[in-house]
Amino acid sequence: QSVLTQPPSVSGTPGQRVTISCSGSSSNIGGNTVNWYQHLPGTAPKLLIYTNYQRPSGVPDRFSGSKSGTSASLAITGLQSEDEADYYCATWDDSLNGHVVFGGGTKLTVL
Amino acid sequence: EVQLLESGGGLVKPGGSLRLYCAASGFNFNNYIMSWVRQAPGKGLEWVSSINSGSAYIYYADSVKGRFTISRDNAKNLLYLQMNSLRAEDTAVYYCARDVYCGGDCHSPIASDYWGQGTLVTVSS
Repeated sequence: QSVLTQPPSVSGTPGQRVTISCSGSSSNIGGNTVNWYQHLPGTAPKLLIYTNYQRPSGVPDRFSGSKSGTSASLAITGLQSEDEADYYCATWDDSLNGHVVFGGGTKLTVL
Repeated sequence: EVQLLESGGGLVKPGGSLRLYCAASGFNFNNYIMSWVRQAPGKGLEWVSSINSGSAYIYYADSVKGRFTISRDNAKNLLYLQMNSLRAEDTAVYYCARDVYCGGDCHSPIASDYWGQGTLVTVSS
């Protein structure tokens, strides 16, 4: 079981908007910033969103992040077929001398 | 161009040891926190360990604490992961990752903005 809870899967059709949730606790999301990664099998993970809502250069503004309390969300608008991938949230957890925690991952399927 | 190249993976028997390497280029290595993250077959990403620029702050996942050691050589732009007492559950692709620039002497990782392609470690008899 992952410390951060994500839905195992979400789906949408091209052009739609989808959201992926990430639920944690006061020791992780509640007190730290959240990052989102996109991962295609066999490739290096890619940073999509960092410190809750910031996008690295080159990431389209179709991807956006938000955080409220002990939960965070990744929204993808104008869904495209190339968005089909696994998405992970991650953050710092202050417990046990500090460590990074990942969500279990969400498989996005573009129908 | 930022590049991270992992090496050192392979097949090892349970209880054995392996040392992973990550050669960094294209950026000022000694200014960044570095991490190892792994993905077991059919599983999600799992953070393994992080080390700050001066090696003063080091963190491990509970699953590897006491068995794995992270280190770095800033003069050679190399990140290491010494893995001892390996178990079947350590079988995974191991990624080296650079943290976002935090502007100075950072203590803990914020987010990994560059990743290597990974090296496969298989622990099996």
